[in-house]
Amino acid sequence: RKEVEQDPGPFNVPEGATVAFNCTYSNSASQSFFWYRQDCRKEPKLLMSVYSSGNEDGRFTAQLNRASQYISLLIRDSKLSDSATYLCVVNEYGNKLVFGAGTILRVKS
Amino acid sequence: GAVVSQHPSRVICKSGTSVKIECRSLDFQATTMFWYRQFPKQSLMLMATSNEGSKATYEQGVEKDKFLINHASLTLSTLTVTSAHPEDSSFYICSASGTGKGNTEAFFGQGTRLTVV
Repeated sequence: RKEVEQDPGPFNVPEGATVAFNCTYSNSASQSFFWYRQDCRKEPKLLMSVYSSGNEDGRFTAQLNRASQYISLLIRDSKLSDSATYLCVVNEYGNKLVFGAGTILRVKS
Repeated sequence: GAVVSQHPSRVICKSGTSVKIECRSLDFQATTMFWYRQFPKQSLMLMATSNEGSKATYEQGVEKDKFLINHASLTLSTLTVTSAHPEDSSFYICSASGTGKGNTEAFFGQGTRLTVV
């Protein structure tokens, strides 16, 4: 079983749509959680951290369920510029990050 | 966020030669640096973790004699791919964390695309 699992997609959505990505992780002792965005042939960039209480940053909402070891990302009002690969990332300890394989999002006009 | 600079961004080398990749933290002290590798359409896979002044810890399946890691200072770590082969062609990315700005998250370099011909 992979340590961090994501649906690879691709998710093809029209502009303005709402799209949700899910992720599960296997290590119950994991300390912190993130969503990163990676554009083609570039390094990953931190999109947002994920907290148990849920957190929102503009059009992006992240949720964490520690009991189920489940993380989600919701993107509202999708823009063309949101097209990228979204990586679910788990910090097991000391900033040792474990990456999911990524979910591809394609937003079309 | 903090700045991590990785160099070179792209390198093409002949099979059998060695390639050195540098990762520098420009505005914080990186006590720990991580080296990742990403093959096309796959996720980033951790290769090794290096702590300043000590030997790197390699992940299972990563040859320490082939991928030499040096972390001699708090701002610089290097990865040397020795006797490179075409199957080593990949995207190599470093990340750094440590004191100050780097304390709460890991910051990534821009990545190095290695092509071995």
